Amino acid sequence: AQSVTQLGSHVSVSEGALVLLRCNYSSSVPPYLFWYVQYPNQGLQLLLKYTSAATLVKGINGFEAEFKKSETSFHLTKPSAHMSDAAEYFCAVSQKTSYDKVIFGPGTSLSVIP
Amino acid sequence: DVKVTQSSRYLVKRTGEKVFLECVQDMDHENMFWYRQDPGLGLRLIYFSYDVKMKEKGDIPEGYSVSREKKERFSLILESASTNQTSMYLCASSKLGERTEAFFGQGTRLTVV
Repeated sequence: AQSVTQLGSHVSVSEGALVLLRCNYSSSVPPYLFWYVQYPNQGLQLLLKYTSAATLVKGINGFEAEFKKSETSFHLTKPSAHMSDAAEYFCAVSQKTSYDKVIFGPGTSLSVIP
Repeated sequence: DVKVTQSSRYLVKRTGEKVFLECVQDMDHENMFWYRQDPGLGLRLIYFSYDVKMKEKGDIPEGYSVSREKKERFSLILESASTNQTSMYLCASSKLGERTEAFFGQGTRLTVV
C-alpha cells in the first residue's frame, strides 16, 4: 500500500534562511508526487508536481523539490524564507489504481521568524 | 480562474441532524473528492466520484454518503451527525488521469454540538 510520511509536524525558520520540508513515500510502482500549500483558513493550492519528466521540479513562489528514487524522497526546499511562506505544507502521492487515488501526508506547519 | 466552491465556510449542527455539504466545480472535471482534515492526520479521503452517479468509498466512509447527480456538483451527506464528525471538510476536483493535480475548495469547518 502507498503511504506518505513527513518528518516534522512543525518547522521554524528565520526569515531569509533555507526552508527544507521532508517527504518520504512508499510505492510499489513509479509514483506521481505533489506538494500542496494551505494558508490559514483556505483550501489547498498546488506548489509543484513530479511526473517523471525531470527529477528536479520547480514550483511557484520560489519552491523546488527533488525526486530521489534511491531514497524514496521528495523533499521541498526554498533558498530564502519569506514571512508569507508561513503555512501548512502537504506532500501527496498519486497512483492509478481503479481510480486516481491521491494519498496525503500528515502535513508540516512552517513558521517564519522575523 | 478555475474554481471549486463549497456552499458554506462554517456550519454548526446538532447531534443527530442530517447535514448536507455542497460542492460545485466549473472546470468540467471528471473526478471529485471529499476529504476531511484533522490536526496531525492530514487529509483523509471520505468518498470519491469519477463520473455522474458513480461513487467509490475512500478510507473513512462510515457515517457519510454522497450524491453526484450532475457533473459539476458533488454533495456530502452526514446521515446523523455526531460530535466525532466535527472537522474541516475539503472538496476537490481533478481531470481524469493520475498526473493531474486536484483543485480544492476553501473548506467547510463543521462543528457538531
